[in-house]
Amino acid sequence: DTEVTQTPKHLVMGMTNKKSLKCEQHMGHRAMYWYKQKAKKPPELMFVYSYEKLSINESVPSRFSPECPNSSLLNLHLHALQPEDSALYLCASSREEDSRNSPLHFGNGTRLTVT
Amino acid sequence: GNSVTQMEGPVTLSEEAFLTINCTYTATGYPSLFWYVQYPGEGLQLLLKATKADDKGSNKGFEATYRKETTSFHLEKGSVQVSDSAVYFCALSDDAGNQFYFGTGTSLTVIP
Repeated sequence: DTEVTQTPKHLVMGMTNKKSLKCEQHMGHRAMYWYKQKAKKPPELMFVYSYEKLSINESVPSRFSPECPNSSLLNLHLHALQPEDSALYLCASSREEDSRNSPLHFGNGTRLTVT
Repeated sequence: GNSVTQMEGPVTLSEEAFLTINCTYTATGYPSLFWYVQYPGEGLQLLLKATKADDKGSNKGFEATYRKETTSFHLEKGSVQVSDSAVYFCALSDDAGNQFYFGTGTSLTVIP
C-alpha cells in the first residue's frame, strides 16, 4: 500500500475541459512534488512545493497549475490540455526538500488521456 | 552536470537466475544514490539507497554498493523471482539535495 494517495486513478478529458488531480499524504512530509511520466520513460519533474510554497517550476506550460492548500494536500489543475499531455502523473512527497537523506515517496499516479 | 546512465533493457531472465543492472553516475561532490522499482500500473517505490561511498544498500534480497572510484551503483540479486518483474530506475540526489536525477529505467522480465 502506498502512503501517498492520488485521485482519480484514470482520467479522460477533452481539450476544452477543466479538471483537477489530487494528492494526499499523512506522513508529515513538508515537500511535495508533481512528476510527469510518459511510457517507457523516467519521471520528469514538473513542480516542487516546500512548506506549502512553490519552490521549483520546471518551465511547465501554464495549462498546468499547481496548488498546495495545506501540508497534506497537493492539487494539479488542468485546463486546455493537448493530446501530447497524455501521460501518467505522479505525486511524490519527502520529509524535507533536501532529497539526499529524504527519499521520495510516490503515489500510484493518475493515468491521464487527453482526447 | 549531474546524470545517471543505466544499462539498456529489456532484460529477460529465468527464475532463480542472478541479476545485475548496471548504473553509473556523473556528479560533483557527494551525491546520494537510490534504486527505485516500478511495478506495472503503479508508482515508483524506493528499493534501496546509499548516502556515502562504500555504503551498501539492501532490501528484499537486492543489493547495491556505492563505488566512488568507479562512479557506479550496480543493482544485484542472487536469485530473481517472477514477482521481481518490473522497471528499475537508478537515481541520484545531488550534493545540495536540490535535484533528483533518474536514469532511463531498465525493464526486467522474469520467466518461470
